[in-house]
Amino acid sequence: KQEVTQIPAALSVPEGENLVLNCSFTDSAIYNLQWFRQDPGKGLTSLLLIQSSQREQTSGRLNASLDKSSGRSTLYIAASQPGDSATYLCAVTSGTYKYIFGTGTRLKVLA
Amino acid sequence: GAGVSQSPRYKVAKRGQDVALRCDPISGHVSLFWYQQALGQGPEFLTYFQNEAQLDKSGLPSDRFFAERPEGSVSTLKIQRTQQEDSAVYLCASSLERLPNEQFFGPGTRLTVL
Repeated sequence: KQEVTQIPAALSVPEGENLVLNCSFTDSAIYNLQWFRQDPGKGLTSLLLIQSSQREQTSGRLNASLDKSSGRSTLYIAASQPGDSATYLCAVTSGTYKYIFGTGTRLKVLA
Repeated sequence: GAGVSQSPRYKVAKRGQDVALRCDPISGHVSLFWYQQALGQGPEFLTYFQNEAQLDKSGLPSDRFFAERPEGSVSTLKIQRTQQEDSAVYLCASSLERLPNEQFFGPGTRLTVL
């Protein structure tokens, strides 16, 4: 059974720092891995999607990498800003259609 | 519409009441998913539709939960005889039936059972 873990559970950093969020999964036979952002009381905003044949994706200050063999993905946020404060979720799909989510990392960027 | 919409956004129910949550997927999206997100947790899969066919309902927590998508577009998640443990955010997502099968999520319905 696929399990997804995110470390750390919470993170607080000063504005301007570069930071890394981690996601690990137990079954390397994944199809997609997707990173989401969730603001309090809101739905999920897709940040980056990495297909199993890809190693990384970039969007603005965000870079996500995927290492299937080790069952890991990282989300790198450059030059963090207070507006980046949110919960970040990663999710994988293993060829079936449903997403398996981690429990998220709650990020707070201090001004 | 431009994205997935859900209604109502908030629902308060007394224990024992029945509730119905609606999802309008992105036009043309074949697949539709329901997820349940408890406080402080990641979303968990409930059920999946391909057009009007419910292909997987393995995540529904009990027979009090029922979902339908009769015309292959709008979907309704119904919870009968609600209990306090049903309190959660219910998220709907839709996707096209082609690579990379990315799912697009709605804003969710926050259900509170008193």
